[in-house]
Amino acid sequence: SQKIEQNSEALNIQEGKTATLTCNYTNYSPAYLQWYRQDPGRGPVFLLLIRENEKEKRKERLKVTFDTTLKQSLFHITASQPADSATYLCALSGTYKYIFGTGTRLKVLA
Amino acid sequence: DAGVIQSPRHEVTEMGQEVTLRCKPISGHNSLFWYRQTMMRGLELLIYFNNNVPIDDSGMPEDRFSAKMPNASFSTLKIQPSEPRDSAVYFCASSRGAGQGASEQYFGPGTRLTVT
Repeated sequence: SQKIEQNSEALNIQEGKTATLTCNYTNYSPAYLQWYRQDPGRGPVFLLLIRENEKEKRKERLKVTFDTTLKQSLFHITASQPADSATYLCALSGTYKYIFGTGTRLKVLA
Repeated sequence: DAGVIQSPRHEVTEMGQEVTLRCKPISGHNSLFWYRQTMMRGLELLIYFNNNVPIDDSGMPEDRFSAKMPNASFSTLKIQPSEPRDSAVYFCASSRGAGQGASEQYFGPGTRLTVT
């Protein structure tokens, strides 16, 4: 069955540094990969979508890469701020199929 | 726009009782999703509607769970009878598009269900 792995351990980084989160998947070739942010007690909020034929996507301080050979996506937050502290979820999507990872909790220390 | 609306926000019930969760998607969105989130299993897709028609309900755990979408602005998820292992946060999400996976999903605030 399809499986997504995100680092279950929390990631602590210092303010101003670049945070890099990893999403690995198996047994699936998604057409799209999405990243969401989730704050405690709230629903996930969409951040970025990247297509299988795209290598990289940027939005302000966010950057996503998608390597379909390695079956991996990397999510980068540059110049991180304490307000970026949250859980980040990756999701694979294709025709009528959406599979979410369990998320990585990021804490940016002031 | 008010976003996706879910009710109730919190529900505490006893084992064996019927539970009904409600969702109003964003106007103009033609896809609706029900998810369940737990610490152990993360966010799991239960059922997916497109244009009010259930497309994929393979994530519905068992016959105790049922979902309906009688019109474009309302959906329900019902659990009957409820069990303690159903305790979780249930999210409803909506999106535009015909289901190819290219659309971002907008999530509601969730319903925290506790079954004692």
